[in-house]
Amino acid sequence: NAGVTQTPKFRVLKTGQSMTLLCAQDMNHEYMYWYRQDPGMGLRLIHYSVGEGTTAKGEVPDGYNVSRLKKQNFLLGLESAAPSQTSVYFCASTSVEEGYQPQHFGDGTRLSIL
Amino acid sequence: EDQVTQSPEALRLQEGESSSLNCSYTVSGLRGLFWYRQDPGKGPEFLFTLYSAGEEKEKERLKATLTKKESFLHITAPKPEDSATYLCAVIGGQNFVFGPGTRLSVLP
Repeated sequence: NAGVTQTPKFRVLKTGQSMTLLCAQDMNHEYMYWYRQDPGMGLRLIHYSVGEGTTAKGEVPDGYNVSRLKKQNFLLGLESAAPSQTSVYFCASTSVEEGYQPQHFGDGTRLSIL
Repeated sequence: EDQVTQSPEALRLQEGESSSLNCSYTVSGLRGLFWYRQDPGKGPEFLFTLYSAGEEKEKERLKATLTKKESFLHITAPKPEDSATYLCAVIGGQNFVFGPGTRLSVLP
């Protein structure tokens, strides 16, 4: 059982380039999330999805787009990368059956924008 | 606005030296408080969920407690393998809000 898988694990981009981060979960969870983690700031929510075909903005959505065409996949896109988007990106999923359950996290994508 | 703070920011303990980590929160209508452990280069790993004041959960050397305004993670006789960053998160509205974490180092 793989849980939450993120690809790629590392990436270096130049300012202005675009890319897509992929998150896949095999637990049939309804809710999926994208976070960024920066030193001293904790995990900040970028976008989230409560089901296939639905997405919503989180705390820091500017410069990112997302799509959830299939229940098991959640894609995060950077339209025009900026140095301020250098961070570690985590995907998470959870079920809300019988109340909010703990989130399951992937191991992150380390992204550097030069 | 929901908020979570954690203290201390970093903690160094000798092996066997018990201590506690604090998570203070402000949330309208707590639906759950979660403790995670995060190792370097890895994603957060779930430890405990607490849903109401007075609730306690235990696992090996760790014990989590909850009041109406804060939660404590008690570490009894820690070992070097307990070294990690411990994250606290709450959910009141629709989304989880995370604290910045406490970085724990246990020296042999």
